[in-house]
Amino acid sequence: EDKVVQSPLSLVVHEGDTVTLNCSYEVTNFRSLLWYKQEKKAPTFLFMLTSSGIEKKSGRLSSILDKKELFSILNITATQTGDSAVYLCAGPKGDSNYQLIWGAGTKLIIKP
Amino acid sequence: NAGVTQTPKFQVLKTGQSMTLQCAQDMNHNSMYWYRQDPGMGLRLIYYSASEGTTDKGEVPNGYNVSRLNKREFSLRLESAAPSQTSVYFCASQGAGYTEAFFGQGTRLTVV
Repeated sequence: EDKVVQSPLSLVVHEGDTVTLNCSYEVTNFRSLLWYKQEKKAPTFLFMLTSSGIEKKSGRLSSILDKKELFSILNITATQTGDSAVYLCAGPKGDSNYQLIWGAGTKLIIKP
Repeated sequence: NAGVTQTPKFQVLKTGQSMTLQCAQDMNHNSMYWYRQDPGMGLRLIYYSASEGTTDKGEVPNGYNVSRLNKREFSLRLESAAPSQTSVYFCASQGAGYTEAFFGQGTRLTVV
């Protein structure tokens, strides 16, 4: 059964700290892995990863994929209170071109 | 720039009542989705529509029906609401392949 597991489920750090969020996945026919950020309402897209070892970067956020170990990390450096959110990881299900399997998310709280 | 518009934002139903959640997107996307999100469980796909005129079951379709009215609109209907359907519902749309998905702002539904 395809599944996506995120860890930790929650994390509390202080402003300025660096955090690493984890996503492990077991899906048949891997094609991509996606990261989203969810604040109070709708998830918003962060990254899509398809190739192993290539880092994607956007400001203080970066993510990398290890296809061999079926693992991805999302790093946030110099955290700010605005980074407080739930971070979601997802991957395509099986051979479907449309269905995504989502992890439960990591709830990140940044204290001032 | 409306993106994905979802209505209503909040709804309280009594057990056995019916209702329809409306979703419209203005990005000319072919694929549209309905998810539910429950605490600690991430997003679970209810139904999706790969293109106008087609709909398919997702992971948790029981108790729901959908209609892809046209390319823009994708509605979700609860025929006889049950307390187990208390959740936050998100509509999403996506362009070709696993590109960025855009989410509506969510509907918080409570069934009492």
